[in-house]
Amino acid sequence: GIQVEQSPPDLILQEGANSTLRCNFSDSVNNLQWFHQNPWGQLINLFYIPSGTKQNGRLSATTVATERYSLLYISSSQTTDSGVYFCAASSNSGYALNFGKGTSLLVTP
Amino acid sequence: GAGVSQSPRYKVAKRGQDVALRCDPISGHVSLFWYQQALGQGPEFLTYFQNEAQLDKSGLPSDRFFAERPEGSVSTLKIQRTQQEDSAVYLCASSHFDWGDTEAFFGQGTRLTVV
Repeated sequence: GIQVEQSPPDLILQEGANSTLRCNFSDSVNNLQWFHQNPWGQLINLFYIPSGTKQNGRLSATTVATERYSLLYISSSQTTDSGVYFCAASSNSGYALNFGKGTSLLVTP
Repeated sequence: GAGVSQSPRYKVAKRGQDVALRCDPISGHVSLFWYQQALGQGPEFLTYFQNEAQLDKSGLPSDRFFAERPEGSVSTLKIQRTQQEDSAVYLCASSHFDWGDTEAFFGQGTRLTVV
């Protein structure tokens, strides 16, 4: 199945800083999603973005499908942004999302 | 309901006990997925339903794991004779259409602890 790799695995930021999370995938995709897993374990949908660029408030994402990577940008980070961010993708021949290992983000006051 | 609902939220089982985990997908969603998430890891695929048909069960770790979706809506994941390595969070997801190119939404999960 499709392989999904995320970097960095861990990130510590001071409140107000910006960050970029990266997701590389090994095959052409028909679905790519970014999630934030909150402290209670719920996966919150951030972006459905198999290609192109989207923005939602302080968050934005870009997927360059031809080069097999996606980026999640967090601007002016807040302590509530802390948690684990997952990238997940399904290949053109598949239907189930394969997840990366996640980026654990800690935003300090 | 507005989102994917799972119950129970927490389950403690004695080793050897059978458990049943329930998933209520978003109304009208054709596809339903079960995932297992071990501590500190990303979710891993277990099985996939398209309506009532189980099209892929390649991720089920053993024949002690069984899933069903008899009427194409609610799904149940059953684990027989639970073992300590079954301790994990079990996540259910649903999506509107029958292929991978539609957004998937996840429930809050069931945290299973086998003692």
